[in-house]
Amino acid sequence: EAQVTQNPRYLITVTGKKLTVTCSQNMNHEYMSWYRQDPGLGLRQIYYSMNVEVTDKGDVPEGYKVSRKEKRNFPLILESPSPNQTSLYFCASSRKGAGGGEEQFFGPGTRLTVL
Amino acid sequence: EDQVTQSPEALRLQEGESSSLNCSYTVSGLRGLFWYRQDPGKGPEFLFTLYSAGEEKEKERLKATLTKKESFLHITAPKPEDSATYLCAVCGANSKLTFGKGITLSVRP
Repeated sequence: EAQVTQNPRYLITVTGKKLTVTCSQNMNHEYMSWYRQDPGLGLRQIYYSMNVEVTDKGDVPEGYKVSRKEKRNFPLILESPSPNQTSLYFCASSRKGAGGGEEQFFGPGTRLTVL
Repeated sequence: EDQVTQSPEALRLQEGESSSLNCSYTVSGLRGLFWYRQDPGKGPEFLFTLYSAGEEKEKERLKATLTKKESFLHITAPKPEDSATYLCAVCGANSKLTFGKGITLSVRP
């Protein structure tokens, strides 16, 4: 089954404790992206990757890091989480970027709470 | 800066009562306008891509249309299972996707 998986699905942590949210897709997609979704603000892009070893900032990259060492994986790293990073996070992938009119496949989401 | 405004924020319909959801946008060099459906606790699910003014696409009870300034998602004779949040997004010349805040649709039996 074609899908985007994220782990963990739920995470409660404390300020400053480094964490990684994994994202994996099995569709051989070139483009992958991370979003956060907050009430009243909608979905906002954090980082995206056009292909292996190619990443770029989205609209809200501060406090986040990403890497793309393999085509299928795109982990999101929070080196020193803060309470304002409490949010619902989605990973997405597509055959090419949105500029090609490609639909994006979204993962199930990771609900992160930073105390 | 690309912008997307969706209205109304929430819509409550009776089963069978047709209506339309609005997405107004400003974008530099439209490469595509997207509609997604999002159920509570789940990731968005792709519905349509529209590329140019005048284009229309249909899927079951849903029909998406596009003008140079806005897009409409028409829902004909909705059913309770159509209840969800509907997201509109645009991709401009910078190849980035900008989402609206979404419209929460509730269809009562």
